[in-house]
Amino acid sequence: AIQLTQSPSSLSASVGDRVSITCRASQGISSALAWYQQKPGKPPKLLIYDASSLESGVPSRFSGSGSGTDFTLTISSLQPEDFATYYCQQFNSFPLTFGGGTKVEIK
Amino acid sequence: EVQVVESGGGLVQPGGSLRLSCAASGFTFSNYCMSWVRQAPGKGLEWVADIKQDGSERYFVDSVKGRFTISRDNAKNSLFLQMNSLRAEDTAVYYCARGRGYSRHWGQGTLVTVSS
Repeated sequence: AIQLTQSPSSLSASVGDRVSITCRASQGISSALAWYQQKPGKPPKLLIYDASSLESGVPSRFSGSGSGTDFTLTISSLQPEDFATYYCQQFNSFPLTFGGGTKVEIK
Repeated sequence: EVQVVESGGGLVQPGGSLRLSCAASGFTFSNYCMSWVRQAPGKGLEWVADIKQDGSERYFVDSVKGRFTISRDNAKNSLFLQMNSLRAEDTAVYYCARGRGYSRHWGQGTLVTVSS
């Protein structure tokens, strides 16, 4: 199974900060990567698919980049509603796998 | 509006069985692969199983192979997860999600607790 390693596992940031989360795959997955945001008690919300395509309705401050084994989710200016946990997911091959998550907290 | 609603969760003893259901509406169910994803309390997301539109292909995470079965009834717009030989480590919220790979549409989840 392809392993996804997210870093950091948690971070503290202030409103307005630029935040980057990385996801490294144990083998190449082309651009078959998605990013999700999850808030407590809620299902995940799709933010980015195909590594860099912004899901409809998601604010443009979210962006994704990378291909192969190294990927990044960037929030250009953190907003109060962005404090949540973020997950990457690969869909290059079964079993599909998720990263361990990055919790973004208020500084 | 696309909706998927899970049901069937509850408390079950180790070694027991449970059948989860997912009712879909707002889209042509038979056109989409469907998936189950779970999340143990306080933990991350884990993909569990996937089924093709006509049920001809099914995939599972290794930890549930031989114990869980995924099926669907396209006439009733429903997805199922039959869980047998349940273990404590199967305790989780189980989400139904539309699509193969990434998913735009998720249900609110149903909690399965395996405990004596």
